[in-house]
Amino acid sequence: DAMVIQNPRYQVTQFGKPVTLSCSQTLNHNVMYWYQQKSSQAPKLLFHYYDKDFNNEADTPDNFQSRRPNTSFCFLDIRSPGLGDAAMYLCATSRAGGEQFFGPGTRLTVL
Amino acid sequence: AQSVTQPDIHITVSEGASLELRCNYSYGATPYLFWYVQSPGQGLQLLLKYFSGDTLVQGIKGFEAEFKRSQSSFNLRKPSVHWSDAAEYFCAVGAGAGTALIFGKGTTLSVSS
Repeated sequence: DAMVIQNPRYQVTQFGKPVTLSCSQTLNHNVMYWYQQKSSQAPKLLFHYYDKDFNNEADTPDNFQSRRPNTSFCFLDIRSPGLGDAAMYLCATSRAGGEQFFGPGTRLTVL
Repeated sequence: AQSVTQPDIHITVSEGASLELRCNYSYGATPYLFWYVQSPGQGLQLLLKYFSGDTLVQGIKGFEAEFKRSQSSFNLRKPSVHWSDAAEYFCAVGAGAGTALIFGKGTTLSVSS
């Protein structure tokens, strides 16, 4: 089945230790998104790629970076995680004219 | 500014009873509207969407929603709730298909037996 896959599902890191979250898709969608969802809150868009064009939300901290080496994969890099970065990170994909499909998420814990 | 309001933080419904979850939006143009459901620890699953056309849209799992432009609302309904419907429900608005979404804060649905 075509889908959005996120690895790992659970990630534990130490304060200040860089971490990378992975998203892959078999849908061949040209748009990929990263959302941050803190406990009991709505998902908040961090950035998205339209093909290779990177679009950063104005209030996304510099601590968050992203890479999209090809259509199928997109990575979220957190350079120096703080306690406030503990959250569920959701990857989503869409065609330019379609709705977003979400992956299962990666829950990040920062110790 | 674009925004989505879900007035009800938590709703409890008896199994078999009908359900309506409210969603109001603020948007400068014709919105693209979505309802997603999220079970604990899981990602978001699309229930239904409205892009244009018929203002009453049918979705998966027996859900439907009605777009009312005059009221800036997109309320979600289900005639008979099942225990498995207990989850978090998010309403979202986008500028167009394939653009970033703005989510409401969500409504937690509990189902009592």
